[in-house]
Amino acid sequence: DGGITQSPKYLFRKEGQNVTLSCEQNLNHDAMYWYRQDPGQGLRLIYYSQIVNDFQKGDIAEGYSVSREKKESFPLTVTSAQKNPTAFYLCASGSYGYTFGSGTRLTVV
Amino acid sequence: LAKTTQPISMDSYEGQEVNITCSHNNIATNDYITWYQQFPSQGPRFIIQGYKTKVTNEVASLFIPADRKSSTLSLPRVSLSDTAVYYCLVGDSGNTPLVFGKGTRLSVIA
Repeated sequence: DGGITQSPKYLFRKEGQNVTLSCEQNLNHDAMYWYRQDPGQGLRLIYYSQIVNDFQKGDIAEGYSVSREKKESFPLTVTSAQKNPTAFYLCASGSYGYTFGSGTRLTVV
Repeated sequence: LAKTTQPISMDSYEGQEVNITCSHNNIATNDYITWYQQFPSQGPRFIIQGYKTKVTNEVASLFIPADRKSSTLSLPRVSLSDTAVYYCLVGDSGNTPLVFGKGTRLSVIA
């Protein structure tokens, strides 16, 4: 089955720590995206990549970093510079219609 | 990107037809209209997409008038499991990422 897989489902981060969220897709999509969702809010774009080895900042890129070394993979690193990282993170891929992963819930402890 | 406006929330009884209207006055010629459904703690799920007139699939219908400045998602005979947030988005082929608003929170009551 084709799809998009995010891991882990839950992640806990200590203050000052960097953490990496995984996103893998086997849909052969060129474009991939990372969104952040806070309670009761819509999705906000963090980063996106339209092709391997290229990515663009979204609306809230500060404190985050990404890489796109393979078409299938688009990991997101939440750095210690992100002061309020507790949120639900969603990865998506596609063009006309996005396919989303099941999300990673990140909590700062 | 064309901005969309949709109601913040709607309530409906089970078995009723629900229509959610979305305004997108600045829609561009190349833009498609796409609706997503999101349950709590899950990623949004694609429901339906259209460019003009009417599109129907197994779960919903999408009505788009000739001027394309609005669209209406129609859910026939809703059930409790249709309680979710519904997002209306407009955008082109993917050259620019989709912008999600707050969506419409639909509550279906027994």
